[in-house]
Amino acid sequence: IAGITQAPTSQILAAGRRMTLRCTQDMRHNAMYWYRQDLGLGLRLIHYSNTAGTTGKGEVPDGYSVSRANTDDFPLTLASAVPSQTSVYFCASSWARPQGAGGNYGYTFGSGTRLTVV
Amino acid sequence: QKEVEQNSGPLSVPEGAIASLNCTYSDRGSQSFFWYRQYSGKSPELIMFIYSNGDKEDGRFTAQLNKASQYVSLLIRDSQPSDSATYLCAVKMNSGGSNYKLTFGKGTLLTVNP
Repeated sequence: IAGITQAPTSQILAAGRRMTLRCTQDMRHNAMYWYRQDLGLGLRLIHYSNTAGTTGKGEVPDGYSVSRANTDDFPLTLASAVPSQTSVYFCASSWARPQGAGGNYGYTFGSGTRLTVV
Repeated sequence: QKEVEQNSGPLSVPEGAIASLNCTYSDRGSQSFFWYRQYSGKSPELIMFIYSNGDKEDGRFTAQLNKASQYVSLLIRDSQPSDSATYLCAVKMNSGGSNYKLTFGKGTLLTVNP
């Protein structure tokens, strides 16, 4: 693994089904994030985790849940998928606290999961 | 609400020209600023970051920051068709306590015409 790995790459899912999107990073970043990206709406934060064992809600958390049992993994679960959850989902990681005032705090993104709910 | 604003474009420039991408942000306390490039169907890729007022150059890319005006820009010199992508501006903002998160703009679509 180099960086962040997301799985699956794409998925077609029947409405009402449960689905878990997987995300694993090997950079030992303490913070991880899930975004969805929709045309015209940009990247919207779903959930985040500043450190293993803690999670927080972003701007569009409804219908999604996350867990952070360890540093490397941050799965995103759709309990009962709906068509409005059709989107491209990106996982990202970073340091939660800046490494110095000018530290490079940029996020590293996974390659994304294209999810279609029908 | 803390916001980052970008012109959605599309911005169209001829090959070899300078492309200028602009971004404004609402949080005056923001410290670090990032530019991501996203090709169609791909994930965002970090290309520049800046935290001091003025210019920062890296190859054909120059990031410019003016904290007083709450304005950050990205210049791409000698634009190439391979620069055609969506460019996302991101700003590091405090999210509570000593934790920070990036707030992203919606992106500007750049097209470089051969």
